[in-house]
Amino acid sequence: AQSVTQPDIHITVSEGASLELRCNYSYGATPYLFWYVQSPGQGLQLLLKYFSGDTLVQGIKGFEAEFKRSQSSFNLRKPSVHWSDAAEYFCAVAPSGTYKYIFGTGTRLKVLA
Amino acid sequence: GAVVSQHPSWVICKSGTSVKIECRSLDFQATTMFWYRQFPKQSLMLMATSNEGSKATYEQGVEKDKFLINHASLTLSTLTVTSAHPEDSSFYICSASKGGGAKNIQYFGAGTRLSVL
Repeated sequence: AQSVTQPDIHITVSEGASLELRCNYSYGATPYLFWYVQSPGQGLQLLLKYFSGDTLVQGIKGFEAEFKRSQSSFNLRKPSVHWSDAAEYFCAVAPSGTYKYIFGTGTRLKVLA
Repeated sequence: GAVVSQHPSWVICKSGTSVKIECRSLDFQATTMFWYRQFPKQSLMLMATSNEGSKATYEQGVEKDKFLINHASLTLSTLTVTSAHPEDSSFYICSASKGGGAKNIQYFGAGTRLSVL
């Protein structure tokens, strides 16, 4: 079955430390890939997306993600985390040619001062 | 740009009553809008896809008579939970798609928390 996996439910990092959030998917063909962030009481905000081309994608707020076809992964990274990055992060996948998103279960990020 | 407004943000209702949730794209025309349901500590589950001027397409297992969706204009979609019961209590989120084609990007509202007593 088609699925999106975010293995880490919670992650805690210190402010200034680097961050990597994992996302794996299971689809036959390369889907479209997205990372969203959700802060309490707010909607999901798009951080970055991958449709095709360069596998290293730059997003907003200093985030980047790398698509690795061989690993069916689209991990999100940030070199130095800020306290304001504490939120819930969702990976989403849209099988090529479809409008529908399939979401992972999310990773809640806590940032220690 | 690409702002989606969802109203209300929180609603409490009695069992058996109906509740309407609005989703508006404020600065763009949305040909397609989506409705999701999110359970605590779980992922967003797509309930239905709506296109302006046509009937919504519901996902398997979603009761279309329970969750009525209307997409009357390119900027407004509504979800009505009819005869709500406690098991309908959840967080409902809408999104709107900007532009056509398969490479669509969904922009999300802030969500509506429904509590049915």
